[in-house]
Amino acid sequence: EVVLTQSPGTLSLSPGERAALSCRASQSVSSSFLAWYQQKPGQAPRLLIYGASSRATGIPDRFSGSGSGTDFTLTISRLEPEDFAVYYCQQYGDSPPITFGGGTQVEIK
Amino acid sequence: DVQLVESGGGLVKPGGSLRLSCAASGFTFSTYTMNWVRQAPGKGLEWVSSISGSSSYIYYADSVKGRFTISRDNAKNSLCLQMNSLSAEDTAVYYCAGGPDIGAAINGCDTWGQGTMVTVSS
Repeated sequence: EVVLTQSPGTLSLSPGERAALSCRASQSVSSSFLAWYQQKPGQAPRLLIYGASSRATGIPDRFSGSGSGTDFTLTISRLEPEDFAVYYCQQYGDSPPITFGGGTQVEIK
Repeated sequence: DVQLVESGGGLVKPGGSLRLSCAASGFTFSTYTMNWVRQAPGKGLEWVSSISGSSSYIYYADSVKGRFTISRDNAKNSLCLQMNSLSAEDTAVYYCAGGPDIGAAINGCDTWGQGTMVTVSS
């Protein structure tokens, strides 16, 4: 089973600042099968990034994903008020189980 | 509009059973791998089970294997999760979520329902 470790656990930033969220895998993950989700309180998760770097439909271009192997990053170039939320990385693909990272909370400083 | 609507959650005693349903609309359901993902109160996301569009491929998390059964009816655009031998550790919001079929592999989920709460308590 691939264990995903997200860091930091909490990121305190101001609107307009840049956020960089890390997701580290316990073993190599195919870049084709790494996703990022955003979840706000009381809401379902929303797909932001799939295939490590492809934005899902309707996702603003301030969100970008990068990385390969065991190290992946979600970057939010300029935080908007609606971006303060919890973010999860996920690995999927042809070797279940699917696993999620523990999440990074991006909070207003 | 693309929509997934879960139902069937509620309060059940330990050892009991519950059947969750998910009604899909606004997309070609049979071309989507569907999943159940759960989230315990205040915790992160946990994948539970997946079923491919044709039901050819079915997968379970070890934590539910042998107790939960996933199924789908493409004619009715519906997904189900039969949950037996429930314990307190199964208490969570259960989300129905789906992504385009990619054969035997499981895809990321671009469509999510709002979730249904399952509480296992005496």
